[in-house]
Amino acid sequence: DIQMTQSPSTLSASVGDRVTITCRASQSISTWLAWYQQKPGKAPKVLIYKASSLESGVPSRFSGSGSGTEFTLTISSLQPDDFATYYCQQYNSYSRTFGQGTKVEIK
Amino acid sequence: EVQLVESGGGLLQPGGSLRLSCAASGFTFSSYEMNWVRQAPGKGLEWLSYISTSGSTISYADSVKGRFTISRDNAKNSLYLQMNSLRAEDTAVYYCAREVAGGGSWFDSWGQGTLVTVSS
Repeated sequence: DIQMTQSPSTLSASVGDRVTITCRASQSISTWLAWYQQKPGKAPKVLIYKASSLESGVPSRFSGSGSGTEFTLTISSLQPDDFATYYCQQYNSYSRTFGQGTKVEIK
Repeated sequence: EVQLVESGGGLLQPGGSLRLSCAASGFTFSSYEMNWVRQAPGKGLEWLSYISTSGSTISYADSVKGRFTISRDNAKNSLYLQMNSLRAEDTAVYYCAREVAGGGSWFDSWGQGTLVTVSS
């Protein structure tokens, strides 16, 4: 099975900061990667799909890049509503795997 | 409005069985691939199982293979997860999740989750 490794596990940042989260796949997944945001007690919400496509309604400060085995999620200017946990997810063949998550905390 | 509503969670002892259901509404259920995902308390998301639109293709995470069975009833707009030989480590909130149409394979809609607690 394909393993997904996110870094860092926790990130402390301030409003207005540029934030980057990395996700690495154990084998190439082309651009079959999505990013989700989850807030406590809520279901996850998709932000990015196909590695770099912005889901409708998601603010443009979120962006994704990468292909193959290395991917990044960038928040260009962190807003108060962005403090949450972020997960990458690969969808290669009929298997799906999530990264372990990155919690973005207030510095 | 797309709605996914899970049910069937509860408290049970190790070794027990449980069947979760996910009732879908607001979209043509039979046209969408579906999945189960769980989240243990304070932990990350874990993908469990996938089922194709017709039910002909199914896959499982290694952690539940042989113990859990996914199924669907398109006539009843429902997704199921039969869980057997439950262990303490299966304690989690269980979500059903819809994949985006057209084989995209990311999840565009989620239920609110149902809590399964396995404890003696």
